[in-house]
This record gives sequence, structure tokens and C-alpha cells, in this order.
Amino acid sequence: DIQMTQSPSSLSASVGDRVTITCRASQSIISYLNWYQQKPGKAPKLLIFAASSLHSGVPSRFSGSGSGTDFTLTISSLQPEDFATYYCQQTYSSLITFGQGTRLEIK
Amino acid sequence: QVQLQESGPGLVKPSQTLSLTCTVSGDSISSDVYYWSWIRQPAGKGLEWVGRIFTSGSTNYNPSLMSRVTISVDTSKNLFSLKLSSVTAADTAVYYCARASRNYVQYYMDVWGKGTTVTVSS
Repeated sequence: DIQMTQSPSSLSASVGDRVTITCRASQSIISYLNWYQQKPGKAPKLLIFAASSLHSGVPSRFSGSGSGTDFTLTISSLQPEDFATYYCQQTYSSLITFGQGTRLEIK
Repeated sequence: QVQLQESGPGLVKPSQTLSLTCTVSGDSISSDVYYWSWIRQPAGKGLEWVGRIFTSGSTNYNPSLMSRVTISVDTSKNLFSLKLSSVTAADTAVYYCARASRNYVQYYMDVWGKGTTVTVSS
């Protein structure tokens, strides 16, 4: 299995802050990395696919980067609606795995 | 607009089989640019991928569940299904179905159902 490790597990930030979440794969996954946002009681929503491509309709304050084993999700200026849990996902292997999640809370 | 809707019993007894259906509306389940997945999430925990099925019928399952899980597709009804046998309390979770779309050689889950809660209890 390819293990996906996110850091931090939780994060407190303020509206307007720039935030970065990291995801590390246990082996190279090239750019087979997606990011999702999940709010309480709701299904996850796709933000970024293929490590750095912004999904349709997602605000441009979200961006992704990285390749190989290290990836980042950046929110350039936090908005109130961005407080949620974020998951990375690798699709390099036929066994798909998610990171454990990063909970982004209001400071 | 594509929509996915999970359906099935919300309560399953231990040792029995959990059966869920995901009905796809607004698009054909037969398109070869997609595959169809099940993902589950125990209360307060992270996402766990259960398995997937391609329109060819090819499947992949999470090894931790492989001996108990079957995913199938019914193209005539535009739906796919999940069966998980010999359930225990550890299988209690919100179950999501999702569509994965292809971008060149990569896939991403761009459409999700709202999720259905399944509780395993006697």
C-alpha cells in the first residue's frame, strides 16, 4: 500500500491568512495526487487534480504543487467558507489511499 | 447535471450482508472515461476507499475488505452496487458512491453522492 501522510493534522488560522497543507507519499506517485475539501455532514468536494490542476468552479485562491512524494495545497487568503477538513488522495496505485485529513479551524 | 444517489438499508445485523445501490442520473454509466467507486467514513474518522468498477466490469478492492466485498454494475438501470458480507460493528460508517473521471491517464473523483449512513447492530 502507498501510505499518504498529511501535516499538520489540524491547523488554526484566521480569515485572510495564507495556509499550506502538506501531503507526503510513501513512494513516488509522480503527479497522481488529488485534493478534496469536506465540510461536516457533507460529501467531499474535489479541489485539485493531478497535483496542480484546479477543478472547474474552485476559487483561484486554492492551488496545488508538488511531484514524486511531496505535495502541498495552498490557500492564498482564507475565507470563512474554507474552514473544513482537507484530504489528499493518490491514484497512482490500483489501491487508492487517502491521507488522514487536515482539519482547518478558525483561530 | 450528473447526480449520484445512494440507497439501501440503514441498519444491518452483525454477520449479515450490507447491500447498497448507487443510482446515476444525468449521464451514462457506460462511458469509458469513468469508473465508479465506493468510499466509506466511520463517524469522526477519515475516508477509506472500498473499491471501484470500470464499465468493462473490471474491479479493484481494498485488500483489507477484499474477501468480503463485491461491486457490480447494471448498465440497463444505470446503477452500480456494493455488497459487503459478514459485517461487524467496524463496518458502521457513512458510505459514499463517487464517479471518477479520466484526465489523460489520471483519474479524480469529481462527482459524489450525499452519502448514506449504515449502522451494524443487532
